[in-house]
Amino acid sequence: DTAVSQTPKYLVTQMGNDKSIKCEQNLGHDTMYWYKQDSKKFLKIMFSYNNKELIINETVPNRFSPKSPDKAHLNLHINSLELGDSAVYFCASSQLSGVGTTDTQYFGPGTRLTVL
Amino acid sequence: KQEVTQIPAALSVPEGENLVLNCSFTDSAIYNLQWFRQDPGKGLTSLLLIQSSQREQTSGRLNASLDKSSGRSTLYIAASQPGDSATYLCALNYGGATNKLIFGTGTLLAVQP
Repeated sequence: DTAVSQTPKYLVTQMGNDKSIKCEQNLGHDTMYWYKQDSKKFLKIMFSYNNKELIINETVPNRFSPKSPDKAHLNLHINSLELGDSAVYFCASSQLSGVGTTDTQYFGPGTRLTVL
Repeated sequence: KQEVTQIPAALSVPEGENLVLNCSFTDSAIYNLQWFRQDPGKGLTSLLLIQSSQREQTSGRLNASLDKSSGRSTLYIAASQPGDSATYLCALNYGGATNKLIFGTGTLLAVQP
């Protein structure tokens, strides 16, 4: 009965490859997020989708493309992987109750991506 | 620029001590603030959420306070236990419609048995 799940948990790949990370939430939330945690453990927002619509798109290389087939899923596809993409990627979800009123964000276990 | 700083970066205390973790922010126009804990190799677990109109929230041995005028939040842990050892992160929500979180730098806590 995992709330926010991600697959795979670990991903090791060569530079230049294309890879995807999947995220699913069973909390009935309408908003999902991707965060990146770098080697210094600093967490930063990358993307956010609300009801399958992109609402946050930080300064992220366009090699990163999120896709939300439905509001319970938000996948992250990365093209032409680079060494600097090595990090832990976290998916999260929450319920937006209206402007200025937001609920707790629930995080997945993370996907550790290593680019060789 | 919205910056969030946590002091200290690391803290080691003996079991049973009460302790305070600090979070400072430069832009006080927040909607809410969340405290998370992160265990090694794991995801984040939400501990407490304080809305901008609130001064504090309590859950068990944890108490979080918010002082927007001084740009500070504290997380108080009473009677610390070895199981409290983790990294503690504060995160500020500035965009109510987007719920975007700006994370602090984290405090690594070690509670010695």
